[in-house]
Amino acid sequence: QVQLVESGGGLVKPGGSLRLSCVASGFTFSDYDMTWIRQAPGEGLELISYIRYGGAGSPYYADSVKGRFTISRDNAKKSLDLQMDSLRADDTAVYYCARGGTHYFDSWGQGTLVTVSS
Amino acid sequence: DIVVTQSPDSLAVSLGERATINCKCSQSVLYSSNNKNYLAWYQQKPGQPPKLLVNWASTRESGVPDRFSGSGSGTDFTLTISSLQAEDVAVYYCQQFYSSPSAFGQGTRLEIK
Repeated sequence: QVQLVESGGGLVKPGGSLRLSCVASGFTFSDYDMTWIRQAPGEGLELISYIRYGGAGSPYYADSVKGRFTISRDNAKKSLDLQMDSLRADDTAVYYCARGGTHYFDSWGQGTLVTVSS
Repeated sequence: DIVVTQSPDSLAVSLGERATINCKCSQSVLYSSNNKNYLAWYQQKPGQPPKLLVNWASTRESGVPDRFSGSGSGTDFTLTISSLQAEDVAVYYCQQFYSSPSAFGQGTRLEIK
């Protein structure tokens, strides 16, 4: 069955960096767009970045993370990464890896918590 | 960008009763060339990731109980739970994927009355 497992979350100081990873299994990873979606405590869902399956076109970034976050994928390793730099307190959230990009998201990981605090 | 607005923000329904959640998009998400509405519904239970319930506005995902149904077209959509069960307590989100980037509604919290 489809499985997405995120890792890399934790506590980081404002201005710091963190790299999240998502490892996929149970499907042909290279055939799918992949997305990072975050959820601040008690809040709704925010799509922050996606990358197309074939690498066609530039990745998408929400304005809230543009210039600070970088999404990448390694199809051979079936992994999706999110490099997060210049972190701010309002980046505190659970970060989900999800299968899909420009359509609906049919599989989600369990999420990894990022806390930005001094 | 298409703005997605759900109503109500929260809802309390008795067990066995019908629950109705509304979703309104700021512009039509009906693609005329294939007559499909680019709208999905998700369920998020406490401490869990969202789960896709319905895509293309009315197609239930495999394994989703048939008490869940999606309807609507164009800009106005509804998720109906025909007979509320205790395990349906959750936050429900709609998502438009007609235009990129896709966007979620703010969520509707469903509780037992």
